[in-house]
Amino acid sequence: DADVTQTPRNRITKTGKRIMLECSQTKGHDRMYWYRQDPGLGLRLIYYSFDVKDINKGEISDGYSVSRQAQAKFSLSLESAIPNQTALYFCATSDLDSSGTYGYTFGSGTRLTVV
Amino acid sequence: AQKITQTQPGMFVQEKEAVTLDCTYDTSDPSYGLFWYKQPSSGEMIFLIYQGSYDQQNATEGRYSLNFQKARKSANLVISASQLGDSAMYFCAMREVVYNQGGKLIFGQGTELSVKP
Repeated sequence: DADVTQTPRNRITKTGKRIMLECSQTKGHDRMYWYRQDPGLGLRLIYYSFDVKDINKGEISDGYSVSRQAQAKFSLSLESAIPNQTALYFCATSDLDSSGTYGYTFGSGTRLTVV
Repeated sequence: AQKITQTQPGMFVQEKEAVTLDCTYDTSDPSYGLFWYKQPSSGEMIFLIYQGSYDQQNATEGRYSLNFQKARKSANLVISASQLGDSAMYFCAMREVVYNQGGKLIFGQGTELSVKP
């Protein structure tokens, strides 16, 4: 099994619908992140959490909310999806040091299309 | 605010030749980390190489090396002996310190590398 698992892998949803993207990890990392990737813009941080009780907004949090249900689970919700939220979404985790090869682990991504 | 800039949206290289992907950064923190990731067409993010701001030597990992010029705030990735499988999107990223510890990654816009046979 993957260290960081994202579900679903692909999703097409309609404008105005609520959708949740889920992330679970077996790395034992306290820190978890949600990014979105758009062509030409790289990856931008939506929300991050350094432990279950610590959740912070990132660069582009408007229109999104998150829930850290446990150390291993971090969910991203779009309360009312809009077409410009069509993107590739990544969940990532990191350890305390977050340097080197063991620093950050990424999920395989969720490709979301809002029509 | 911290920032990462990749100025080459796309690059071509001939197979077996070396290629340099540019990355410049801006930060006021004395302690930071720089990463390069590869994203093939399948979409996953693959870690390539890491350079710490206090590392005395440039990082190397197989065919990948990082040309770290601290005074110029640049962290260019050098791929030697390019292979067709190197065709992918490449991202430079910087670790931003939060609570005096390693924290979130800030990414550049990416460079799409195409290796020609």
